[in-house]
Amino acid sequence: QKEVEQDPGPLSVPEGAIVSLNCTYSNSAFQYFMWYRQYSRKGPELLMYTYSSGNKEDGRFTAQVDKSSKYISLFIRDSQPSDSATYLCAMDAGNNRKLIWGLGTSLAVNP
Amino acid sequence: GAVVSQHPSRVICKSGTSVKIECRSLDFQATTMFWYRQFPKQSLMLMATSNEGSKATYEQGVEKDKFLINHASLTLSTLTVTSAHPEDSSFYICSARGDRGLGYTFGSGTRLTVV
Repeated sequence: QKEVEQDPGPLSVPEGAIVSLNCTYSNSAFQYFMWYRQYSRKGPELLMYTYSSGNKEDGRFTAQVDKSSKYISLFIRDSQPSDSATYLCAMDAGNNRKLIWGLGTSLAVNP
Repeated sequence: GAVVSQHPSRVICKSGTSVKIECRSLDFQATTMFWYRQFPKQSLMLMATSNEGSKATYEQGVEKDKFLINHASLTLSTLTVTSAHPEDSSFYICSARGDRGLGYTFGSGTRLTVV
């Protein structure tokens, strides 16, 4: 079993839709949870950063962490064509600070 | 915000030659640098972790003599692919973590093609 599971998609939605992206994990030691967006042939950029359980909102983006279920989500409201990218979840592995990555979900928002 | 400049963005080299990729942190001190490799439609694969002034720690299966990492200063880390072969063709990305906070900042990546 992989430490982090993420459905690679692809996910295709119409403009304006609410997008839900998810990751599950198995290591209960993970404390820090991140969502990155990666456009084609570019490095990932940090979207959301959450510590422990709870919700965090930033504009159209909301990150949720449920440590009891080992499940994290990223919601995108009023999705735009410019949101079309690959979204990767990442988690901190502990003291050695090595990020553990999901496979990434490819999202296409159609105008 | 924190910026990591990675160069070159794209390089084509002949088989058997060496290629150097640079990552510079522009407005913060990168105490730790991570080097990743990414194949098409796949996630990031950590190759090695380097702390300034120390030898890099390589992940299992990564040849340290082939992928030379130097992190001689708090603002510069380099990855040299030695005696490159076509199977080394990939997208290489650096990521830096500074001494402030816990965030990771990524470079824009280098597309290496070995012909």
